[in-house]
Amino acid sequence: AQSVTQLDSQVPVFEEAPVELRCNYSSSVSVYLFWYVQYPNQGLQLLLKYLSGSTLVESINGFEAEFNKSQTSFHLRKPSVHISDTAEYFCAVGGAGGTSYGKLTFGQGTILTVHP
Amino acid sequence: KAGVTQTPRYLIKTRGQQVTLSCSPISGHRSVSWYQQTPGQGLQFLFEYFSETQRNKGNFPGRFSGRQFSNSRSEMNVSTLELGDSALYLCASSVDSTEQFFGPGTRLTVL
Repeated sequence: AQSVTQLDSQVPVFEEAPVELRCNYSSSVSVYLFWYVQYPNQGLQLLLKYLSGSTLVESINGFEAEFNKSQTSFHLRKPSVHISDTAEYFCAVGGAGGTSYGKLTFGQGTILTVHP
Repeated sequence: KAGVTQTPRYLIKTRGQQVTLSCSPISGHRSVSWYQQTPGQGLQFLFEYFSETQRNKGNFPGRFSGRQFSNSRSEMNVSTLELGDSALYLCASSVDSTEQFFGPGTRLTVL
């Protein structure tokens, strides 16, 4: 079985400040890790992913996350946030085959609010 | 490429009725997964279809069912609706069920 814990339900920050959204996972099989962002009344947008290879992954809009297998973490970071980054962020874990086919297990979400 | 589309976007039903939601995946994607999103339970996996076969199922009652057609389009059906079925239903498509791309969702309200 897989599980995801997002350690903060809400994170308020000021514009241009750095931010870290924390995610820990539990899985008995090899995992794929994802961060999705959801804006109000919209679906989920894939922000970045770890499938294999380099443990540091980056998105086109300045976010990055590092897969840490020993700490079973996949924290999301951005060095300088913008008002437009205000949204809810979901960490998710998927696995290969078997009971993991097509199944992502999500954390409860972190609402990031960027204040001017 | 066009993204994942879901119809209808909004739906209002009454208890006891049934509902069918539709999902058209990204062209070339053969896997479609469905999720239910509620404020209390968050995002929960319903089921996944690949090449018209259900390969995986979440922990939902039998009132929730789905199918996939030969063109990879998928439908999910909920029978005997309950108030607790009010939710945002999201579908996601992928080439091989790893990296999933989500549609905008169908907002179902049960009165």
